Amino acid sequence: RKEVEQDPGPFNVPEGATVAFNCTYSNSASQSFFWYRQDCRKEPKLLMSVYSSGNEDGRFTAQLNRASQYISLLIRDSKLSDSATYLCVVTPFTGTASKLTFGTGTRLQVTL
Amino acid sequence: NAGVTQTPKFQVLKTGQSMTLQCAQDMNHNSMYWYRQDPGMGLRLIYYSASEGTTDKGEVPNGYNVSRLNKREFSLRLESAAPSQTSVYFCASSGLGTGEAFFGQGTRLTVV
Repeated sequence: RKEVEQDPGPFNVPEGATVAFNCTYSNSASQSFFWYRQDCRKEPKLLMSVYSSGNEDGRFTAQLNRASQYISLLIRDSKLSDSATYLCVVTPFTGTASKLTFGTGTRLQVTL
Repeated sequence: NAGVTQTPKFQVLKTGQSMTLQCAQDMNHNSMYWYRQDPGMGLRLIYYSASEGTTDKGEVPNGYNVSRLNKREFSLRLESAAPSQTSVYFCASSGLGTGEAFFGQGTRLTVV
């Protein structure tokens, strides 16, 4: 079983739609969680950290469920510019990017 | 701001050839990393350096060597390239007290 699992998609949604991705992780010792975004043929960039109580950044909401070992990303009012691959990332450490384990990513395509 | 700079951006090697991928960061980060990204596999850690003068193996170190030349630079060497090393290679760096990794633009390596 992979340490971090994501549905590869693609998720094809119309502009303005709400879309959610889930990610499961197998290492119960994981302490820090992130969503990265990767555009086609570009490098990954941090989208947002995921906090235990859940957190929101504009149209993006991230949730963590430690008991079930999954994190989620909700995107409201999707824009064409949201089209990208979203990578779920976990690490057993706090406050460091060491030992980051990446999921394979979920591809989102937002259409007119 | 340059951030993380990788060279070269593209490279084609013949099996058995050697090469060094260069990486430099100008953010005064302590930690640096080398990842490879393959379709369906996500990003996998090859080697990392928690600080100047130290290096450690990641998930897939076989066939690679690294050098942390100074705080800014972290190079990845392929001594005898194999077709299985065809991949996109990303260098990344991170600072203390943060889980955010900053990535270079990637090196697309093909071994024929």
